[in-house]
Amino acid sequence: NAGVTQTPKFQVLKTGQSMTLQCAQDMNHNSMYWYRQDPGMGLRLIYYSASEGTTDKGEVPNGYNVSRLNKREFSLRLESAAPSQTSVYFCASSEWGPPGSPLHFGNGTRLTVT
Amino acid sequence: QKEVEQNSGPLSVPEGAIASLNCTYSDRGSQSFFWYRQYSGKSPELIMFIYSNGDKEDGRFTAQLNKASQYVSLLIRDSQPSDSATYLCAVNGDGANNLFFGTGTRLTVIP
Repeated sequence: NAGVTQTPKFQVLKTGQSMTLQCAQDMNHNSMYWYRQDPGMGLRLIYYSASEGTTDKGEVPNGYNVSRLNKREFSLRLESAAPSQTSVYFCASSEWGPPGSPLHFGNGTRLTVT
Repeated sequence: QKEVEQNSGPLSVPEGAIASLNCTYSDRGSQSFFWYRQYSGKSPELIMFIYSNGDKEDGRFTAQLNKASQYVSLLIRDSQPSDSATYLCAVNGDGANNLFFGTGTRLTVIP
């Protein structure tokens, strides 16, 4: 039982390049989330999917797109990376829709944009 | 703007002592409150959640919630060096499909 799996673990991009962060959970959770964590800023929600087939913007969605591919998978795409997107990205899932269900986090992706 | 405030620390306590971590929040409609522990370079892991006013105990951890004063705290009894980590407070907003996180309090337990 792997929980929440994110790939890749590390990535270096040049400004303007694109990439997709992958996330999959095997806990049969309904809701999935993408957060970024920056020093002194805490965890901030980028996008979330309350259930399969739905996605919604969080606090900091600009420059990102998401796809809820199925109940297990939720991907985050950077179309044209910028240095301001250098961060640690966490995918999370929860059993039922927000707000009361605890989040279970993946191991994170460290992204550097030069 | 929903805000969750934590003292960034560092908070240092000797081994075996009680560590007290505090968190205040701005949205009076918040219903769910979580404490996560995050070791350096790792992902957050859930320690406890609390929904009702009062205390909730789980082993060496006790979460305390006071909605009237809009604060939630975490007590760690018999602190161990392995408890050294950053502790994140997370709160949902009234009607919000999101958890808002504080910036975390860094705890160091001194052997």
